[in-house]
Amino acid sequence: RKEVEQDPGPFNVPEGATVAFNCTYSNSASQSFFWYRQDCRKEPKLLMSVYSSGNEDGRFTAQLNRASQYISLLIRDSKLSDSATYLCVVNAGGIERGGADGLTFGKGTHLIIQP
Amino acid sequence: NAGVMQNPRHLVRRRGQEARLRCSPMKGHSHVYWYRQLPEEGLKFMVYLQKENIIDESGMPKERFSAEFPKEGPSILRIQQVVRGDSAAYFCASSATPGIEPQHFGDGTRLSIL
Repeated sequence: RKEVEQDPGPFNVPEGATVAFNCTYSNSASQSFFWYRQDCRKEPKLLMSVYSSGNEDGRFTAQLNRASQYISLLIRDSKLSDSATYLCVVNAGGIERGGADGLTFGKGTHLIIQP
Repeated sequence: NAGVMQNPRHLVRRRGQEARLRCSPMKGHSHVYWYRQLPEEGLKFMVYLQKENIIDESGMPKERFSAEFPKEGPSILRIQQVVRGDSAAYFCASSATPGIEPQHFGDGTRLSIL
């Protein structure tokens, strides 16, 4: 089983629609979770951290389900500028391990917002 | 701009030459990470360094690759005797608190091997 698994897509979604995708992770010791976005092979940019209690930032909502070992990202009222690859990122190196594991990236979900 | 700075943005080398990639972390960050992204692939962790120490190099090839983060100056990723398969985007990231705070990425260095 891959450490971090995502549906590669592409997800073709009309502008204004709501879209959601999940990511599963295999390491139950994972402590930190993030969503990054990457545009056209540029550098990954942090979209949001994912907390146990969930996290909402404007049109974006992230949820964590530790029991089932998945995190989700929901985008409401999608914009053309949301078109990108969304990377699910997990860090198994919590503070007790000194964060020594770097980040484990999923291969990303490709989202295309259509006018 | 106090972001992560990488240079050069693009680097072209012939097979057998050496490539040196540089990364200056964000101000106040002392933890540096290097990642490689091959064409059509996801990001792969290579090495994690603190000042003057390699903490985790489990993702770095055993031969030809080395990394350092000296007391003064940027972190350096060095690739000796480059081969075509080394062509990739190399990203550097830094963080303030590893494992807790997210990592922030530089623009990357695109390495092309002729």
